Amino acid sequence: DSGVTQTPKHLITATGQRVTLRCSPRSGDLSVYWYQQSLDQGLQFLIQYYNGEERAKGNILERFSAQQFPDLHSELNLSSLELGDSALYFCASSVLGDTQYFGPGTRLTVL
Amino acid sequence: DAKTTQPTSMDCAEGRAANLPCNHSTISGNEYVYWYRQIHSQGPQYIIHGLKNNETNEMASLIITEDRKSSTLILPHATLRDTAVYYCIVRVFFGGSQGNLIFGKGTKLSVKP
Repeated sequence: DSGVTQTPKHLITATGQRVTLRCSPRSGDLSVYWYQQSLDQGLQFLIQYYNGEERAKGNILERFSAQQFPDLHSELNLSSLELGDSALYFCASSVLGDTQYFGPGTRLTVL
Repeated sequence: DAKTTQPTSMDCAEGRAANLPCNHSTISGNEYVYWYRQIHSQGPQYIIHGLKNNETNEMASLIITEDRKSSTLILPHATLRDTAVYYCIVRVFFGGSQGNLIFGKGTKLSVKP
């Protein structure tokens, strides 16, 4: 158990819909990272937040957004969902920018 | 693109040492070598990291060559539960804007009875 929690574990929705994935970092960690893992793209970095502020962006679509709240939990919002958005979404956390610890992931299925 | 090169797959007999190689010939002086593994579709699990000295923890040992252009992850007594995809990643320690991990395809390790 890494200490990072993610909810929900599974999410099934339809194209065009909007979903929110939630991540709670390890106690004391200030940085949160989001990654997407699809069958054809592997694990890809989406976005990083540090103490509430966006720190880095990767291959995140404009339909996707994230935020980190004062209690340091983070949410990843995915809108206008397409079939290709079906993937595993992982959250990771670290104290500053050092070793990242990953959560168990949310499996999103878009039908 | 990932800065590392790993074999696509490897087999190991249960109870034997598993030695997973990684090439990172373009590594910079301030970049560490990190190893993670992913068991089936679980979240990636941190294993170990190092800069230039060999490192050991309860999970594995990391051997880094003197020129730092390659490394080997050693699982001393592999078990069936070590079957996973192993990722070798190079990155700066306190990443800041470079803090994200860049995953390649990794090595699929199959531990066989």
